[in-house]
Amino acid sequence: EPEVTQTPSHQVTQMGQEVILRCVPISNHLYFYWYRQILGQKVEFLVSFYNNEISEKSEIFDDQFSVERPDGSNFTLKIRSTKLEDSAMYFCASSYPGGNRNTEAFFGQGTRLTVV
Amino acid sequence: DQQVKQNSPSLSVQEGRISILNCDYTNSMFDYFLWYKKYPAEGPTFLISISSIKDKNEDGRFTVFLNKSAKHLSLHIVPSQPGDSAVYFCAASDAGGGNKLTFGTGTQLKVEL
Repeated sequence: EPEVTQTPSHQVTQMGQEVILRCVPISNHLYFYWYRQILGQKVEFLVSFYNNEISEKSEIFDDQFSVERPDGSNFTLKIRSTKLEDSAMYFCASSYPGGNRNTEAFFGQGTRLTVV
Repeated sequence: DQQVKQNSPSLSVQEGRISILNCDYTNSMFDYFLWYKKYPAEGPTFLISISSIKDKNEDGRFTVFLNKSAKHLSLHIVPSQPGDSAVYFCAASDAGGGNKLTFGTGTQLKVEL
């Protein structure tokens, strides 16, 4: 069964450093997303990406965040200057939707980012 | 801004019995609802969904009910199995929000032998 894969599974970084989280979405999917879940809180939407551009972003997704699809298979989330409060589980997801908006998103297993 | 609420943080049921997980929403623009299941250290896994034009959708042991007037949906699992023990998230999207999902806080289901 096709799946969304994320690397690394765990990333520890020092405050102020840049990190890049990587994702390989399901190959025939057209929409790509990043969500995050701070420990003990709910899963929150960060950004959606379609047709090589951001289609929507949340208030969380400020100027320190960026996304890219550099080579047609990978989808990356960059955090330019990490803060302690960026520590969270980051989930990549993808969906088709094949003309129908209402299709489910498939999630990767997540990258646990720890900022120290 | 809790547009999607799951008021029960945990639920415990016996194996073989029915599990009922509840979800309320406040945004009347939501028109598509999904349930995801999540095990520790894994990503959410899609379970079942329902469009706002329906009031029920069934898939095997899982049934989702939608009451639009009450802005309430529920997930029924019958019969419950120990492998169903996980955190269940309700999520919703609206026509103006593209495919963005708004999640609830989750309910930890424990199915006991």
